[in-house]
Amino acid sequence: NAGVTQTPKFQVLKTGQSMTLQCAQDMNHNSMYWYRQDPGMGLRLIYYSASEGTTDKGEVPNGYNVSRLNKREFSLRLESAAPSQTSVYFCASSGLAYNEQFFGPGTRLTVL
Amino acid sequence: AQSVTQLDSHVSVSEGTPVLLRCNYSSSYSPSLFWYVQHPNKGLQLLLKYTSAATLVKGINGFEAEFKKSETSFHLTKPSAHMSDAAEYFCVVSETGGSYIPTFGRGTSLIVHP
Repeated sequence: NAGVTQTPKFQVLKTGQSMTLQCAQDMNHNSMYWYRQDPGMGLRLIYYSASEGTTDKGEVPNGYNVSRLNKREFSLRLESAAPSQTSVYFCASSGLAYNEQFFGPGTRLTVL
Repeated sequence: AQSVTQLDSHVSVSEGTPVLLRCNYSSSYSPSLFWYVQHPNKGLQLLLKYTSAATLVKGINGFEAEFKKSETSFHLTKPSAHMSDAAEYFCVVSETGGSYIPTFGRGTSLIVHP
């Protein structure tokens, strides 16, 4: 099992460009999450999907959109990137929403 | 509502000495509590979890944590630090009867000196 995979691993964008971060899990988990990690801030939840077909905003959703494409895949889209979105992005999944999470390796995004 | 506070942003120990990373939580429901570890430039890995069974929870790599409801604490300990324990540690709470969404602490950086 690959667990949780994320693509790409690294990305540099210019202000105003758009991109989609991909996440997939092969553990048949119901819930999936997108976080951003900034120094001294811990992990902050951007969006989550408690089950296939549902998505909800987290703590810091502005500037992002998500799609739960199917049970396996959960993508995060930046429509018009801003320097404030420079961060490391982590995708996670869990069998049930209050169970332990399994994390991907992260995407390091820089917006110039 | 739930929240979690990691009381130290940095903890520095010598190799072979005990480790204590402190975590306090608040929860309106029965909490599930977790500790995760993140090594440099890596994703997060589960160390251990508490889900209303035994209050003393043993995890991987010799770590353990004790759930103390009266103190609303879930401190992480290890008897003897190893150089490979140097990492960022996150305490997480989620409510089994509430919103279910996990809340992360801001993290504690563990520094291990030779």
